[in-house]
Amino acid sequence: EAAVTQSPRNKVTVTGGNVTLSCRQTNSHNYMYWYRQDTGHGLRLIHYSYGAGNLQIGDVPDGYKATRTTQEDFFLLLELASPSQTSLYFCASSVPTGASSYEQYFGPGTRLTVL
Amino acid sequence: KTQVEQSPQSLVVRQGENCVLQCNYSVTPDNHLRWFKQDTGKGLVSLTVLVHENDKTSNGRYSATLDKDAKHSTLHITATLLDDTATYICVVGDRGSALGRLHFGAGTQLIVIP
Repeated sequence: EAAVTQSPRNKVTVTGGNVTLSCRQTNSHNYMYWYRQDTGHGLRLIHYSYGAGNLQIGDVPDGYKATRTTQEDFFLLLELASPSQTSLYFCASSVPTGASSYEQYFGPGTRLTVL
Repeated sequence: KTQVEQSPQSLVVRQGENCVLQCNYSVTPDNHLRWFKQDTGKGLVSLTVLVHENDKTSNGRYSATLDKDAKHSTLHITATLLDDTATYICVVGDRGSALGRLHFGAGTQLIVIP
C-alpha cells in the first residue's frame, strides 16, 4: 500500500500569513499532486509535478506556489494567505502508468483555516 | 462546468439496509471510473475501479456498475454498517495514465443510523 504523509494535519493562520504545507511519499512515485477540497465541490487540482525540480500548473493555481525538492517531497506555499484559501488540502502521488489500475494515492489531508 | 454529478447529495439509512449511490458524468474520453470512500476529515480510500463498457465489480459488500454509453455508474452497498458512514466520491479519469486528469464528483454523504 502506497504511503503518503502530510504535515501539519491542522493549521490556523491569519490573513496575509505565510504557510507551507508538506507532503512526503516513500513509494518512489514520480508524480505528486496538490488538491483542495471544499464543501459542494469535488477535489480541485492546484499544482502537480512529474519529478524533482518539475512543477506543473493545475486548475486552481492562483495564490499558491509549489516546490518539488526531491522525488519524495512536495510542498505547497501560501505566501499571503486569504480566507478563501480555508480548505482541506490533499496531496497524492502516482506512477506514470498502470493501465486499468492507474491510481493516485492520497494523503490524510491538512485542514487549513485562514482567519 | 461540473463534469461529474453525484446523487443524492446525502442519504440516511438504517443499519442493515441496502443503498444505491449514483454518478453521472460528461467527461470525454472516459478511460476509467473509480469510487472512493472518505471518512470525515480523512483521506480517500479506493473501493473499486471500473474500466470497460458495462463493467461490474464487487468488493465485499460494495458492488459497482458502469455504463459508458450512458456515462453512468452506480455504487451499491448491501447490509450497511455504522462504519459505512462516510462520503463516497466518484472520480472519472480521462486517461489510463498520469498524463490524464482526474475529474472528481462532490460526493454523496452517507449516514448510517442504528
